Formats: sequence, C-alpha cells, structure tokens
Amino acid sequence: AQSVAQPEDQVNVAEGNPLTVKCTYSVSGNPYLFWYVQYPNRGLQFLLKYITGDNLVKGSYGFEAEFNKSQTSFHLKKPSALVSDSALYFCAVRDGAAGNKLTFGGGTRVLVKP
Amino acid sequence: SAVISQKPSRDICQRGTSLTIQCQVDSQVTMMFWYRQQPGQSLTLIATANQGSEATYESGFVIDKFPISRPNLTFSTLTVSNMSPEDSSIYLCSVDETGLLDTEAFFGQGTRLTVV
Repeated sequence: AQSVAQPEDQVNVAEGNPLTVKCTYSVSGNPYLFWYVQYPNRGLQFLLKYITGDNLVKGSYGFEAEFNKSQTSFHLKKPSALVSDSALYFCAVRDGAAGNKLTFGGGTRVLVKP
Repeated sequence: SAVISQKPSRDICQRGTSLTIQCQVDSQVTMMFWYRQQPGQSLTLIATANQGSEATYESGFVIDKFPISRPNLTFSTLTVSNMSPEDSSIYLCSVDETGLLDTEAFFGQGTRLTVV
C-alpha cells in the first residue's frame, strides 16, 4: 500500500528566508509524486510533480522539489519565502502498482512572517 | 488544465437531510473523483465516479450514504445522505484528464458543508 508522511504540522519562516516542507513516501512500485497548495477557502492547486528524470523539479510560484530515492523523500523548497506563500501544503503519491489513486499526506501549514 | 466548477460553495444543513453537490468540468475528462477533507485533516478519497456505471467506493464509504452519479464525461454529483454533524467537512471534486499515472489531478474549489 502507498503512503505519504509530512512530519511537520506547521512550518514558520521569516519572509525572505528559505522554505522547506518535508515529505517522505512509501510505495511498492515506481512513485509518481505531487505537491499541492491550498489557500484558505480554496481548492487544491497543483504546484509540481516528479515522474522520472532529473531529481530536482521546478514548479509554479518559484517552488521546487528534490526527489531522493534512497531516502524516499520529496521535499518542497523555495529559496526566498513570501508572506503570500502562507498556506496549507500537501504532498501526494501515486504508485504505479496501485492504479490512479492519489494518496495525500497530512498536510503542513506554512506561516511566513513579515 | 481543466476548469472545474463546483456548486454549492458552502451550505448549512439540518441533520437528517441530504445535500447534492455538483461538479462541472469545461472539457471531457477520463477520471473524476470525490474527496472529503474533515476539519484540520488531509484529503480522503470517497470514490471514483465512473461514467455510465456505478461509482467505485473506498473502504469506509458506501453508496447508500454517498450516492454518486456521472452521466457523462464532464459532470458528476455527490449526495451526502441523512446527514449528521460528523459529515461536516469540505467535499472536493477532482478530475484527471488522461487517466495516466504521470498526469496531475485538478480540484474544484470545494463545498464547505456544515451540519447542524
């Protein structure tokens, strides 16, 4: 069975500082990894995905994520956080052996302080 | 990317009643899904809405409680039946345009349901 863990419920960072949101996964087949962001009273917005190829994936709004197969991690990063990045972030995985179902992590709330 | 319209955006309902949520997509999509997001929680898949056949429900969810329709490739409904306060959640429609593993899913704005 596939699973995703986001070990931090909340991450606080000062504006302009680097932001990292952690995600680890467990799958039996090849992982297809996704990051989504949810702003208050909104649906989920897709940020980026890892399918294959380069371990560093670049996405929307200046975000990037690094796939690490040996550590089964897919951490989301942004070099310089903005106050407007304050939101709820979800990591999700599809397992090639488990069909199309997306399994989500518990979510990490990011608070960027001015 | 597909544009998804979900209605209503929010509702307050009496216990024992039912609410039907609509999801309309601006293009034909292969897969449509319904998720529940309980307060402060992550997303849990309720079911996959299958066009022209019965939905496929995840463990813990049953058709009598969450009947789903999908009459065509652009529209689906989720009904929350015989509601109780425990059903208070955000319900999200999601679509996958291709059904392939490497394509991202897109989400509607969600329906915030409060049962009193």
